[in-house]
Amino acid sequence: EVQLLESGGGLVQPGGSLRLSCTVSGFTFSSHGMNWVRQAPGKGPEWVSGISNSGGGTYYADSVKGRFTISRDNSKNTLYLQMNSLRAEDAAVYYCAQSGYHYYYGMDVWGPGTTVTVSS
Amino acid sequence: QTVVTQEPSFSVSPGGTVTLTCGLSSGSVSTTYYPSWYQQTPGQAPRTLMYNTDTRSSGVPDRFSGSILGNKAALTITGAQADDESDYYCVLYVGSGIFVFGTGTKVTVL
Repeated sequence: EVQLLESGGGLVQPGGSLRLSCTVSGFTFSSHGMNWVRQAPGKGPEWVSGISNSGGGTYYADSVKGRFTISRDNSKNTLYLQMNSLRAEDAAVYYCAQSGYHYYYGMDVWGPGTTVTVSS
Repeated sequence: QTVVTQEPSFSVSPGGTVTLTCGLSSGSVSTTYYPSWYQQTPGQAPRTLMYNTDTRSSGVPDRFSGSILGNKAALTITGAQADDESDYYCVLYVGSGIFVFGTGTKVTVL
């Protein structure tokens, strides 16, 4: 069974940093692209960032470009999202999601999410 | 700035049929956008229903179907059931590794 589990969420002050992790099991991690999607309270989901299966390709929404960095460690079956210069509008539930057979097929299996709160 | 538009809400009777659409603020949606569809209930992670326009994700019942209708992607629920009451989001792949979520449609079954 494919499983994804996010961790690392919490309360951070504006301007601060946080690193999210997503550990996966049940599939060959190195064969799939991965994504981070967030959802602010009462809003729809927003795609944040994606990464190719090898890690050689990384992609970002304009809203986070230059502040967030996606990475992966295929030896540890783990996806990361380093978030710097956090703003109030970055507060959300952050989901990691496995890409489909092809990266451009979108998200396939999702984790339960981890909550990021940005407040002083 | 790509804006992906969906109907804000739909109401459908149990056993009825409803078609949700997913359009672009400028331009037409085609299969080259690889439209995908997701179902979400409050407090839960999204669930993948459809990808590559019309391919059902594993375990998704065949009352859900995807297509291109005119210049939009579409998700049709045929024979709606009570537990289909959810928010539905489409996603378009706009190239260069970038995805855009639609504005979402709230479906009520009553």
